[in-house]
Amino acid sequence: DAKTTQPNSMESNEEEPVHLPCNHSTISGTDYIHWYRQLPSQGPEYVIHGLTSNVNNRMASLAIAEDRKSSTLILHRATLRDAAVYYCILRDGTNYGGSQGNLIFGKGTKLSVKP
Amino acid sequence: DGGITQSPKYLFRKEGQNVTLSCEQNLNHDAMYWYRQDPGQGLRLIYYSQIVNDFQKGDIAEGYSVSREKKESFPLTVTSAQKNPTAFYLCASALTSLGNEQFFGPGTRLTVL
Repeated sequence: DAKTTQPNSMESNEEEPVHLPCNHSTISGTDYIHWYRQLPSQGPEYVIHGLTSNVNNRMASLAIAEDRKSSTLILHRATLRDAAVYYCILRDGTNYGGSQGNLIFGKGTKLSVKP
Repeated sequence: DGGITQSPKYLFRKEGQNVTLSCEQNLNHDAMYWYRQDPGQGLRLIYYSQIVNDFQKGDIAEGYSVSREKKESFPLTVTSAQKNPTAFYLCASALTSLGNEQFFGPGTRLTVL
């Protein structure tokens, strides 16, 4: 399975942008990059995903390096509610229907937001 | 409101007892999943079901069993064969196993005394 590497923790100030990095040097051409986040004592929630191009949605932006070996989740203005563990996950796009399509969670990055 | 529910939120059991965790969804999703999370760790896949009446073992299925008799329901039984059952259990669903997004329930924290 393709693996991801994330920093264990990061800190941010409220209302400032946050850039959460993820390295995935062994990514294959068919792997999608997914981000989920988990607030304390809750289930994870989907944030964003992409394949090659940068992606934006109401929650965040995903910047993908040209060689796809790294990506960055961008929270444009951090709020206290954004304090969570953020997971970067690679998901095989060729066989979502099999086990290759399952999500494999690492330890993620714990983001703290200071008021 | 559509969503995925798990009950109860907290569950205590004595060692050696089987316990069943409930997971219900009204999102009309075909795929459902069970994960286990230990403190400070990521989620690990226990079982998954791509469609009703079918399910597959995940990475840590030993000591667990599931059923998928109805599309809406995917209960997980933690048996006495599970050596370290105390954990946070999360259920998720997706429109299909081909879908991009998994929706998670609020979780059940199981403590075995």
